[in-house]
Amino acid sequence: GDSVTQMEGPVTLSEEAFLTINCTYTATGYPSLFWYVQYPGEGLQLLLKATKADDKGSNKGFEATYRKETTSFHLEKGSVQVSDSAVYFCALSTFNTDKLIFGTGTRLQVFP
Amino acid sequence: DGGITQSPKYLFRKEGQNVTLSCEQNLNHDAMYWYRQDPGQGLRLIYYSQIVNDFQKGDIAEGYSVSREKKESFPLTVTSAQKNPTAFYLCASSMTGEGGYTFGSGTRLTVV
Repeated sequence: GDSVTQMEGPVTLSEEAFLTINCTYTATGYPSLFWYVQYPGEGLQLLLKATKADDKGSNKGFEATYRKETTSFHLEKGSVQVSDSAVYFCALSTFNTDKLIFGTGTRLQVFP
Repeated sequence: DGGITQSPKYLFRKEGQNVTLSCEQNLNHDAMYWYRQDPGQGLRLIYYSQIVNDFQKGDIAEGYSVSREKKESFPLTVTSAQKNPTAFYLCASSMTGEGGYTFGSGTRLTVV
């Protein structure tokens, strides 16, 4: 079945460091891919998405490129801030269903 | 502004009692979902509904019940049959064909 695999956390970085959170997927058909962010005690917020191969989603300095050849959608940011500390979820949906399949989440901790 | 509202934010329940969590959306979304999140864990799907008066079990439906009498509302009842109900509950909605969810801010349920 369809699935999403994320790197385990926590990811611990100093402010202004480069961030990569790996996400790979398995899916039949052509999925749409998403990154969500969850701040402490809150619900999830859509961070960015990509709906077809080679699309790049971007928002708030975060980027992810839909790589069909490697079935990946890695999240990157050039310079993280303390305020980026949160849990990040990768997710996919296939064309015939709107139901999202989530990864297990990766906690990011950024220290000053 | 359109959005999805969960209430209450915090809820305490005595063992053996049923409790109902509210979820209301004014986004005109067709589908609605309930997830459970345990500390440091990912999301687990409890129930979902794609149209009014119809809903399907997710991965962990035992001990929970839902109704979908109106498009805007998808309440979740945590029954006394749920053996370990203390968790963070998230409601989400989506528009058919658009991909991606909008999440509420969550309800933290504690059994005392």
